[in-house]
Amino acid sequence: GNSVTQMEGPVTLSEEAFLTINCTYTATGYPSLFWYVQYPGEGLQLLLKATKADDKGSNKGFEATYRKETTSFHLEKGSVQVSDSAVYFCALIGRSGGGADGLTFGKGTHLIIQP
Amino acid sequence: NAGVTQTPKFRVLKTGQSMTLLCAQDMNHEYMYWYRQDPGMGLRLIHYSVGEGTTAKGEVPDGYNVSRLKKQNFLLGLESAAPSQTSVYFCASSGGTSGSPYTQYFGPGTRLTVL
Repeated sequence: GNSVTQMEGPVTLSEEAFLTINCTYTATGYPSLFWYVQYPGEGLQLLLKATKADDKGSNKGFEATYRKETTSFHLEKGSVQVSDSAVYFCALIGRSGGGADGLTFGKGTHLIIQP
Repeated sequence: NAGVTQTPKFRVLKTGQSMTLLCAQDMNHEYMYWYRQDPGMGLRLIHYSVGEGTTAKGEVPDGYNVSRLKKQNFLLGLESAAPSQTSVYFCASSGGTSGSPYTQYFGPGTRLTVL
């Protein structure tokens, strides 16, 4: 079956530091990959996505590249802000079901940015 | 355009009581999903639906029932609540054949406590 592994944290950084959250996956075929963000007390918001190998998803200064050869989708940001403090989830969906299957999530990484 | 909405936001039940969670979407999406979020577990799929009148089991369906009588609504029922069902419940929808089938949009969640 499908699975997603990500660093769980908490990850604590100072403002303006460089961020990397690692995500690796196991899946059959060519899944679509996602990063979702959850701010305290809120639901999940789509942060970025990539649908095929070597695609780079980007949004709000965050980036992630779909690496098929290493089955990875690491999230990066060059300079984090206090407002980036949240829980980040890496997720995938298989393409064999035409999108009907649910997302498979990692356990989430709690990111804390200190001023 | 409200996106995905969930009712209620919070609920406390006693063991053995029943309740129904309502999810509504106004994006004309074909696919709808129910997930539960538990600490350190990420999100896990309970049930999903690929269209009006259809439902299917996800990863953790036991103790739950669902119905999709109208395209825009997806109901999650607990017939006899147990403390193990204490969780945060998220509904999501995706475009299916009418849009991107792989990108899911989430509601704000329902926090359920079973005593």
